[in-house]
Amino acid sequence: GAVVSQHPSRVICKSGTSVKIECRSLDFQATTMFWYRQFPKQSLMLMATSNEGSKATYEQGVEKDKFLINHASLTLSTLTVTSAHPEDSSFYICSAPLGTATYEQYFGPGTRLTVT
Amino acid sequence: SQQGEEDPQALSIQEGENATMNCSYKTSINNLQWYRQNSGRGLVHLILIRSNEREKHSGRLRVTLDTSKKSSSLLITASRAADTASYFCATVAPGSSYKLIFGSGTRLLVRP
Repeated sequence: GAVVSQHPSRVICKSGTSVKIECRSLDFQATTMFWYRQFPKQSLMLMATSNEGSKATYEQGVEKDKFLINHASLTLSTLTVTSAHPEDSSFYICSAPLGTATYEQYFGPGTRLTVT
Repeated sequence: SQQGEEDPQALSIQEGENATMNCSYKTSINNLQWYRQNSGRGLVHLILIRSNEREKHSGRLRVTLDTSKKSSSLLITASRAADTASYFCATVAPGSSYKLIFGSGTRLLVRP
């Protein structure tokens, strides 16, 4: 079945540094991918829609200069958390719809970011 | 932003019992989906119900949708310990290009 991978699965970084998270669709092409963040025991909050070949669309309240999204190919979207701070520590998850014939989405396994 | 609330927030049942989770949402929808998340993992799609459908089955899962009440329920029959996970409903609004808005989730514990 369709698989979405994320890398890294866990990252610990120091405050002020930047962290890049990759999301790949492994056996299908995704012109659109989505990025979510999830705090412990809470739901997923949509951060942005990543569009291949064009700018990402950010949800209200999400700083686009803080969370840089690049969707350079049909199988890869990256999320860069710039100048990370402890409050950016969270679980980041990406997803991709399989295609135009279905609304169901495939999710990556998530990336646990800890900023010290 | 979150679409709505799920009820209950947490549910603990004995293996073999049925588990029912409810989801309410706020806006009009194209479809509603249920996902499962094991602790610290990504989400797995369980079932999708369209706005013109009222009930759908998949194995031990039964989903209902009441668009007049803007609510849905997920029933897991004959639960197993392996069903222990968090369950989320998510809605897709008309014309929103697959964007999922999640409910608050229900944490299910199935005791062996």
